[in-house]
Amino acid sequence: AIRMTQSPSSLSASTGDRVTIACRASLDISNYVAWYQQRPGRAPKLLISAASTLQSGVPSRFSGSGSGTDFTLTITSLQSEDFATYYCQQYFSYPLTFGGGTKVEIK
Amino acid sequence: QVQLQESGPGLVKPSETLSLTCAVSGYSITNTFQWGWIRQPPGKGLEWIGTGSTYHNPSLKGRVTLSLDTSKNQFSLRVTSVTAADTAVYFCVRVRPAKQWELPTFDYWGQGSLVTVSS
Repeated sequence: AIRMTQSPSSLSASTGDRVTIACRASLDISNYVAWYQQRPGRAPKLLISAASTLQSGVPSRFSGSGSGTDFTLTITSLQSEDFATYYCQQYFSYPLTFGGGTKVEIK
Repeated sequence: QVQLQESGPGLVKPSETLSLTCAVSGYSITNTFQWGWIRQPPGKGLEWIGTGSTYHNPSLKGRVTLSLDTSKNQFSLRVTSVTAADTAVYFCVRVRPAKQWELPTFDYWGQGSLVTVSS
């Protein structure tokens, strides 16, 4: 199975900050990465597919980049509703796998 | 608007079978490859269980069955021979419509159903 490694596992930031979350795949997965946001006690929400394609209704302060093995989720100007845990998912091959998550906390 | 809602027992005994159903509204179920299940042990990350009747996570060692009931617009999950390691919040999900050859990502999720395996 392809291993997805996220870093950091948690970070503290303030409203208005720029935040970057990294995700590394254990082998080349082209651009087959999705990003999800999970607020406490809620189901995950799909933010980005194909490494950089924003889903409908997702604010433009979210962006994704990368290809091959290294991917990044960036949130510019962090808002209060963005404090959550973020997961990457590879869909290059079965079994589908997720990263361990990055928790974005209030500083 | 697409909505998914899980239902089923919240407590299952070890060695027994976990059964969950996902009722779908706002969208018609037509084939199993549109739907799946993902689970999340308490305080931990996400684990894909399976999508459709064919693609299942080998980590569950063949214990998984996914089925569809188009007459009720719902789909179901069965996991046999459960242990404490199967304790998790179980999410039913819809596969995001994409190119036919593309593997799944998930655009609609149920609220999740906590299943505890304990005697």
